[in-house]
Amino acid sequence: DTGVSQNPRHKITKRGQNVTFRCDPISEHNRLYWYRQTLGQGPEFLTYFQNEAQLEKSRLLSDRFSAERPKGSFSTLEIQRTEQGDSAMYLCASSKGTTSYEQYFGPGTRLTVT
Amino acid sequence: ILNVEQSPQSLHVQEGDSTNFTCSFPSSNFYALHWYRWETAKSPEALFVMTLNGDEKKKGRISATLNTKEGYSYLYIKGSQPEDSATYLCAQGATNAGKSTFGDGTTLTVKP
Repeated sequence: DTGVSQNPRHKITKRGQNVTFRCDPISEHNRLYWYRQTLGQGPEFLTYFQNEAQLEKSRLLSDRFSAERPKGSFSTLEIQRTEQGDSAMYLCASSKGTTSYEQYFGPGTRLTVT
Repeated sequence: ILNVEQSPQSLHVQEGDSTNFTCSFPSSNFYALHWYRWETAKSPEALFVMTLNGDEKKKGRISATLNTKEGYSYLYIKGSQPEDSATYLCAQGATNAGKSTFGDGTTLTVKP
């Protein structure tokens, strides 16, 4: 399968714990995006990378959230000191080039904070 | 319109019915409009991307139109089938191909 993959698919954690999610984009795609989706709402932009450079961050990305793409390939999204409000679907997408319109999405990681 | 808005929020139709959804978006500084289909437990799937006023796109029984001057797009499904049941999302693309701003989606349920 050469699509965008995300791991894990589901994560249940206790409030206050740290969690890390991984996204592997389509191999030739240089842009990678993270979104968060809560029930009944559309995906909300969190951040995106062009190669290893993080070009934009939403103000939704509080200081407890950090994202990296160290080698311009896979990316990780870490949430420290999780809160119940962090429970959501975290989606990753990738695209090719700097003017590509199309973003290809992974299946998401469902986070539940208890 | 300041945000991307979709209507209706949900729709229940019978197999064979034709249906349509609306996406409204800010018309200033328009760059691109995307439609996605998101089935439960799967990845959102890109249906169309439109950039020009008056654009019309078609894929099988699904088609979309775009009016950038008034800030709306319509998605049409002809002869709905149960496999069309999904959430349909529209998103406005940014000028630098950065973030997309999504609507909250229209959830379609097609009853056999």
